[in-house]
Amino acid sequence: EAGVTQSPTHLIKTRGQQATLRCSPISGHTSVYWYQQALGLGLQFLLWYDEGEERNRGNFPPRFSGRQFPNYSSELNVNALELEDSALYLCASSFRGGLYNEQFFGPGTRLTVL
Amino acid sequence: QQQVKQSPQSLIVQKGGISIINCAYENTAFDYFPWYQQFPGKGPALLIAIRPDVSEKKEGRFTISFNKSAKQFSLHIMDSQPGDSATYFCAAKETSGSRLTFGEGTQLTVNP
Repeated sequence: EAGVTQSPTHLIKTRGQQATLRCSPISGHTSVYWYQQALGLGLQFLLWYDEGEERNRGNFPPRFSGRQFPNYSSELNVNALELEDSALYLCASSFRGGLYNEQFFGPGTRLTVL
Repeated sequence: QQQVKQSPQSLIVQKGGISIINCAYENTAFDYFPWYQQFPGKGPALLIAIRPDVSEKKEGRFTISFNKSAKQFSLHIMDSQPGDSATYFCAAKETSGSRLTFGEGTQLTVNP
């Protein structure tokens, strides 16, 4: 069974640009989560999408946004990039019907903002 | 603020030894506690998880111990191997919630 996939692996942008990151969940999973793993800051919850709707978001500014498509894949958009947005962006998916909604992570997209 | 505090930040163990990583939480609504293992350049991989209705869960060389009254839980890695060298994260989640709240991570090095 294929795991969570993310693209691109690496992304280099300059300040002020926009970045788009993509995620494909495990087959059968309807929920997609985005986390930011910045150096020294651990993993921080960004966004949760389920059945095409944004269900919850973490303590991040509105320039972090995303969407979930009918096939449950998702994209994360980061507008007006700032240097501190440089981080590993991780996508996770889960089957929402489970009691504890175990989350399985993809390999991440390394975003570098110059 | 919902936090999970993890210690130690780094840990060096000899091959065959026991690695112990501790986590503490404040939010009593947390009722699912997973541990993730992350190798450099990879995403976190779910290792083992526990619910608060049990005090211990064992899977192979990995054991979670849970102390509900103290709001603490720990990961024990028995017979640690060099291949276990990775960063370990504890996490917590409310059943009704979605987000995982992670600890700061522990970088484990197992020397051969």
